[in-house]
Amino acid sequence: GAGVSQSPRYKVAKRGQDVALRCDPISGHVSLFWYQQALGQGPEFLTYFQNEAQLDKSGLPSDRFFAERPEGSVSTLKIQRTQQEDSAVYLCASSLARSISPLHFGNGTRLTVT
Amino acid sequence: TQLLEQSPQFLSIQEGENLTVYCNSSSVFSSLQWYRQEPGEGPVLLVTVVTGGEVKKLKRLTFQFGDARKDSSLHITAAQTGDTGLYLCAGAPGTYKYIFGTGTRLKVLA
Repeated sequence: GAGVSQSPRYKVAKRGQDVALRCDPISGHVSLFWYQQALGQGPEFLTYFQNEAQLDKSGLPSDRFFAERPEGSVSTLKIQRTQQEDSAVYLCASSLARSISPLHFGNGTRLTVT
Repeated sequence: TQLLEQSPQFLSIQEGENLTVYCNSSSVFSSLQWYRQEPGEGPVLLVTVVTGGEVKKLKRLTFQFGDARKDSSLHITAAQTGDTGLYLCAGAPGTYKYIFGTGTRLKVLA
């Protein structure tokens, strides 16, 4: 009965390093979303998966950002050659249905790039 | 790019006061949700509205979806310190994803 789990909770990376952020959605949830949230702002859409298919990656800010969900459950957001502007909270959300339905969010990973 | 503008951005009120938060857009949404987020946690869904003009009540919170499905409001009656948090509206422009608003940070003082 666990909710959406994200790890790590905090990540500090030196500029230029690669990072990988993990999301374990609620079991059986078809849809999975990644959002980026700057301090005090609303989350901004990054990408969307329906099962293992990445159907929308229009929000990924650059080709340094890459997301996958190979078996339709766990997802990983990878950021290559991190930059200071990548510092943010990265939120993962899952929902039961393919169409619009309530989003269940994890508590996010706070990434700080120094 | 945020399509949804929320106002006010910040709000600090005394316990017992009433308040209204607005969520506005030039886009039409098939549905709209309101979330509350506390520090260090993910947003938690409060309500979903689907029909233009729809009004939903959740205890002291009243949510309204605009007739044209472009805007929404959240009214809190007799605010309590437990209402403190970041309030987010999120609109669905299509069939699968939500776009979030800029957020309203509410602080209720005892």
